[in-house]
Amino acid sequence: DTAVSQTPKYLVTQMGNDKSIKCEQNLGHDTMYWYKQDSKKFLKIMFSYNNKELIINETVPNRFSPKSPDKAHLNLHINSLELGDSAVYFCASSQFSGHLQETQYFGPGTRLLVL
Amino acid sequence: GIQVEQSPPDLILQEGANSTLRCNFSDSVNNLQWFHQNPWGQLINLFYIPSGTKQNGRLSATTVATERYSLLYISSSQTTDSGVYFCAVAGTASKLTFGTGTRLQVTL
Repeated sequence: DTAVSQTPKYLVTQMGNDKSIKCEQNLGHDTMYWYKQDSKKFLKIMFSYNNKELIINETVPNRFSPKSPDKAHLNLHINSLELGDSAVYFCASSQFSGHLQETQYFGPGTRLLVL
Repeated sequence: GIQVEQSPPDLILQEGANSTLRCNFSDSVNNLQWFHQNPWGQLINLFYIPSGTKQNGRLSATTVATERYSLLYISSSQTTDSGVYFCAVAGTASKLTFGTGTRLQVTL
């Protein structure tokens, strides 16, 4: 009965490969997010979807493409992986009430290592 | 965008001690959250507190929105409190901006 789940938890791959990370939430929230946490623990938002519509798209290389098949799922596909993509990627979800965002709940993270 | 500063960057406490973590932000916010990232990397939401005061067990938080700061109080600290504490804020845009965190180590 995990609230926000991500797969896989660990991902080790070679430079140049393409990989996907999946996220699912069972909280009934209407908004989902992808964050990147670098080696210095700095957390930065990458994308956000509200009811399957992209609402936040930060300055992220276009090798990163999010996809939201429904409001409970938000996947992240990364093409042509580079060494600098090594990080922990967190998925999160929240509910909007009016124009206000409520508490965000985070998944366990996916630790990506590009060799 | 909004700037978020947290202090202190690092804190070492003996078990049982109390501590106060501070979060300053540069603009008006309608969302402020405190998170704890445990040593295994899991991010746990502690408080949703854009203004006012809340308490949850040994933890409490106060946000003074007009003065653009928030405080997180940890009383009678335990080793399980170790980890990184993040403050995150959002203004009129819906995205949360995270501070750089306070790394807390509680020793026996």
